[in-house]
Amino acid sequence: AQSVSQHNHHVILSEAASLELGCNYSYGGTVNLFWYVQYPGQHLQLLLKYFSGDPLVKGIKGFEAEFIKSKFSFNLRKPSVQWSDTAEYFCAVKPHQAGTALIFGKGTTLSVSS
Amino acid sequence: SAVISQKPSRDICQRGTSLTIQCQVDSQVTMMFWYRQQPGQSLTLIATANQGSEATYESGFVIDKFPISRPNLTFSTLTVSNMSPEDSSIYLCSAGRDSTDTQYFGPGTRLTVL
Repeated sequence: AQSVSQHNHHVILSEAASLELGCNYSYGGTVNLFWYVQYPGQHLQLLLKYFSGDPLVKGIKGFEAEFIKSKFSFNLRKPSVQWSDTAEYFCAVKPHQAGTALIFGKGTTLSVSS
Repeated sequence: SAVISQKPSRDICQRGTSLTIQCQVDSQVTMMFWYRQQPGQSLTLIATANQGSEATYESGFVIDKFPISRPNLTFSTLTVSNMSPEDSSIYLCSAGRDSTDTQYFGPGTRLTVL
């Protein structure tokens, strides 16, 4: 069965620290990859996505992610976090099959202290 | 992108009753999905809402408990039937233009069952 693993359940950082959140998926075929963010009290928003082409994709608010096909990974990075990045981050995978929905990882809670 | 609205935004219900959640998308979409997000958990797919035919349910979810309608390309409903406290959760509607498109999410319906 397809699955998505996020390695970190809760990450605590100080402002200006660098961030990397791990994400691995298990699926042998072609996939689209996503990171979603859920700020406290708000609904799920798309942070960035990879469909094809350059495996390094840039999203909103300075976030980027790199797709490494050989490792089935799509890690999220930000060079310098801000207090406002405190949120829940979800990695998600969408197999290229008709009618399939996003499969989510369990999420990573990021807490940034000022 | 697609803008998705849900009604109600929250509700408190008594055990044994049913609640119908409405999802409206601002443009025609091919794919509509319903997810559940239990407290502190990730998103779990309940079903794919198919226009003009019966919904496709994921393992562990059944039509008698979660009947779904999708009368057209912009609207769907999810009913949570014969509720118990274990059904307390956030229910989210999601939509995308085709099977490989980005999925967008509504703000969710926070359900509490007493």
